[in-house]
Amino acid sequence: GAVVSQHPSRVICKSGTSVKIECRSLDFQATTMFWYRQFPKQSLMLMATSNEGSKATYEQGVEKDKFLINHASLTLSTLTVTSAHPEDSSFYICSASPSLTDYGYTFGSGTRLTVV
Amino acid sequence: GQSLEQPSEVTAVEGAIVQINCTYQTSGFYGLSWYQQHDGGAPTFLSYNALDGLEETGRFSSFLSRSDSYGYLLLQELQMKDSASYFCAGLMDSNYQLIWGAGTKLIIKP
Repeated sequence: GAVVSQHPSRVICKSGTSVKIECRSLDFQATTMFWYRQFPKQSLMLMATSNEGSKATYEQGVEKDKFLINHASLTLSTLTVTSAHPEDSSFYICSASPSLTDYGYTFGSGTRLTVV
Repeated sequence: GQSLEQPSEVTAVEGAIVQINCTYQTSGFYGLSWYQQHDGGAPTFLSYNALDGLEETGRFSSFLSRSDSYGYLLLQELQMKDSASYFCAGLMDSNYQLIWGAGTKLIIKP
């Protein structure tokens, strides 16, 4: 149980375009999902907390207008990288849990974004 | 501030036992989690300690001592496939976010 599906796994886009990444909880409902980015050989950096039916909470330094998060249902959250630039190239990962307090978090398989 | 510290790299021999330590300076957290991440992959949940003591899951065990602000992950009967990065992460009780350590790269030699 506790499967999180993330698509696409890899995407290459041109500078200035937008990319949408989907994160789905397949066998549980997730009122909260988390979006991370990770640079090579570094730890995960939390970008935002996605809450179903309400606005996402962004971490300090993360541009909310650039990284648009939509959590329209209990099983789907999307991250849209708008007007992408090469410095946005990174590994983006979502995570969720059936229970926020007594269970490990399940991660999507991640999306490798390359902006050229 | 809140932080978790763990060694950057640990080397062990196949079939041996290895312990990865995690010390933290934080308050207000539900428990300590451990995740494994292979190169190019996403983190995979290994273990979670909400209470002090030892949690055993197959070849992996995790320990937590809140009074010492310390935890560790113990890997037994090491296999080459265990070569990966291991992260400790504290689950915060204020917002259910995970505060991550920098990760420990485990190198296993034959």
